[in-house]
Amino acid sequence: ETGVTQSPTHLIKTRGQQVTLRCSSQSGHNTVSWYQQALGQGPQFIFQYYREEENGRGNFPPRFSGLQFPNYSSELNVNALELDDSALYLCASRQGTSGNTGELFFGEGSRLTVL
Amino acid sequence: GESVGLHLPTLSVQEGDNSIINCAYSNSASDYFIWYKQESGKGPQFIIDIRSNMDKRQGQRVTVLLNKTVKHLSLQIAATQPGDSAVYFCAENTTGRRALTFGSGTRLQVQP
Repeated sequence: ETGVTQSPTHLIKTRGQQVTLRCSSQSGHNTVSWYQQALGQGPQFIFQYYREEENGRGNFPPRFSGLQFPNYSSELNVNALELDDSALYLCASRQGTSGNTGELFFGEGSRLTVL
Repeated sequence: GESVGLHLPTLSVQEGDNSIINCAYSNSASDYFIWYKQESGKGPQFIIDIRSNMDKRQGQRVTVLLNKTVKHLSLQIAATQPGDSAVYFCAENTTGRRALTFGSGTRLQVQP
């Protein structure tokens, strides 16, 4: 069974640039969530995708967007990067309908540094 | 507003002792709670969960206690080992919400 994999593991960008982070969900999981974890803090929910549609969103501006593909993999895109976007971005997957929480399996994260 | 918080930012215990990590939540509607372990450079790892219709659940060396009256959650780790050193997060969810709300974490340090 393959777990949640994310790429890249680390990257550095400058303010104003755009970034795309990628996630492959665990085998059999059809729901993907993205979380932002600032240094020394708990993860914060960005959004969730189920059956290729966003079905939940946290308190993040529209410059944070995403996609889910037919194979359930997902992308997180962030436009017009700001210094405060520097964080660990976590992808999590689970098997379940849009209404359930279930057990989330997290990837190792993508560490983004914005200079 | 709703929040999930932790009483102690750092907990230091001796190897072999029992550890207790506490968490308070404020949302009375919360009905699902999870404990995660996060080691340095890794993503959160599921430890144990509990639903609001229970007040205790046990796993391998871990026990979660839920007190809905005072909105308090605890994680007990028996015979703490050096490999238990990590940051522990509690998280809560309410039926119908997509997101887990995480606390800020407690760092557990196990002294040999």
